[in-house]
Amino acid sequence: EAGVAQSPRYKIIEKRQSVAFWCNPISGHATLYWYQQILGQGPKLLIQFQNNGVVDDSQLPKDRFSAERLKGVDSTLKIQPAKLEDSAVYLCASSFQDRVTEAFFGQGTRLTVV
Amino acid sequence: AQSVSQHNHHVILSEAASLELGCNYSYGGTVNLFWYVQYPGQHLQLLLKYFSGDPLVKGIKGFEAEFIKSKFSFNLRKPSVQWSDTAEYFCAVNVNTGGFKTIFGAGTRLFVKA
Repeated sequence: EAGVAQSPRYKIIEKRQSVAFWCNPISGHATLYWYQQILGQGPKLLIQFQNNGVVDDSQLPKDRFSAERLKGVDSTLKIQPAKLEDSAVYLCASSFQDRVTEAFFGQGTRLTVV
Repeated sequence: AQSVSQHNHHVILSEAASLELGCNYSYGGTVNLFWYVQYPGQHLQLLLKYFSGDPLVKGIKGFEAEFIKSKFSFNLRKPSVQWSDTAEYFCAVNVNTGGFKTIFGAGTRLFVKA
């Protein structure tokens, strides 16, 4: 079974630039998550999709972050403009459904904003 | 707000020592509980999970965890650690707040000396 695919693995940008991350979840998984993991902290949920609808985006900084999941499969997370404090690993995860099932994680994208 | 606390940020043990990592959560409703592990250079993966039934759950690689509802705790244990257990361990809680979402603790970095 193929895992959760993310790209790119690493990205370095200057502040105020924009960046986009891509995620392809495990086939058949209805729920997709984007987490932000700052060094020394646990993953923080940014946004959760159920198919192509947003279930939770309460911690997404909507003035600069956006995410979409067209057709309920792949997803992109965008930051525009980036700030220094956005430096983190961005993790994508998917699960068969949002309850009582484990999440499968991708390798993550390490973003450095300079 | 719901939260997950992991008591130790860094733990150093010698091989064959016993391990216990603490995890407490704040949420009064029904929870599903997880421990995830991240080995160096790898993605997060599930170690074990509790949904219902026997509060003592067994996971991969000899790990187990006990759910104590009255203490809002889900501590991870292993009787005898190995060098290969060196990793970061995350406790996570899945809660229903009008939609199910998973909240992670800050993680515990374990280093096992050979």
